[in-house]
Amino acid sequence: EVQLVESGGGLVQPGGSLRLSCAASGFSFNNYGMTWVRQAPGKGLEWVSSIGTAGISTHYTDSVRGRFTISRDNSKNTLYLQMNSLRAEDTAVYYCAKKGMTVPSYNWFDPWGQGTLVTVSS
Amino acid sequence: EIVMTQSPATLSVSPGERATLSCRASQSVSSNLAWYQQKPGQAPSLLIYGASTRATGIPARFSGSGSGTEFTLTISSLQSEDFAVYYCQQYNNWPLTFGQGAKVEIK
Repeated sequence: EVQLVESGGGLVQPGGSLRLSCAASGFSFNNYGMTWVRQAPGKGLEWVSSIGTAGISTHYTDSVRGRFTISRDNSKNTLYLQMNSLRAEDTAVYYCAKKGMTVPSYNWFDPWGQGTLVTVSS
Repeated sequence: EIVMTQSPATLSVSPGERATLSCRASQSVSSNLAWYQQKPGQAPSLLIYGASTRATGIPARFSGSGSGTEFTLTISSLQSEDFAVYYCQQYNNWPLTFGQGAKVEIK
């Protein structure tokens, strides 16, 4: 069974940093691209960042580019999101998700982790 | 950025009835569209990809159609477990974008 378990969320002050982790199991992690999607309280889904299998190809939404860094450690089956210069508008549940297929251009996601809450507030 | 617009925002349907949700893209996304279901307090789950291919384990009452800029998710006979929020997502271009969501509620 594929499992994705996020961790690392919490309360942080504006301007602070957090690193989220997503531990993957039940599939060949190094064969699949991964992504982070966030959901602000009571709001819809917002794609944040995606990474290819080798960690070389990365993409970011404009609002986080230069502040967030996505990475992966295939030896540990773990996806990361380093978040710096956090703002109140980054407050959200952050989900990691696995690409549904190994084809690079097929960027739909299945399954998703349960999410970890990041709250940016003083 | 491709803007995805879902309608209606809320759909009130009785159990056993048909529900039809729409998703419009601001420019063509070919068939590179997925649908997700999200129940309260849960993570989203994949329903449809490639505009019309049901994900593994998804019941046949869920169907997707469309291409280009106009897409539809149809639930042929609503079951109690289908009352949820539904999102479309395009993966034709970066950045990936989601619709704002459509809530299917019990009438």
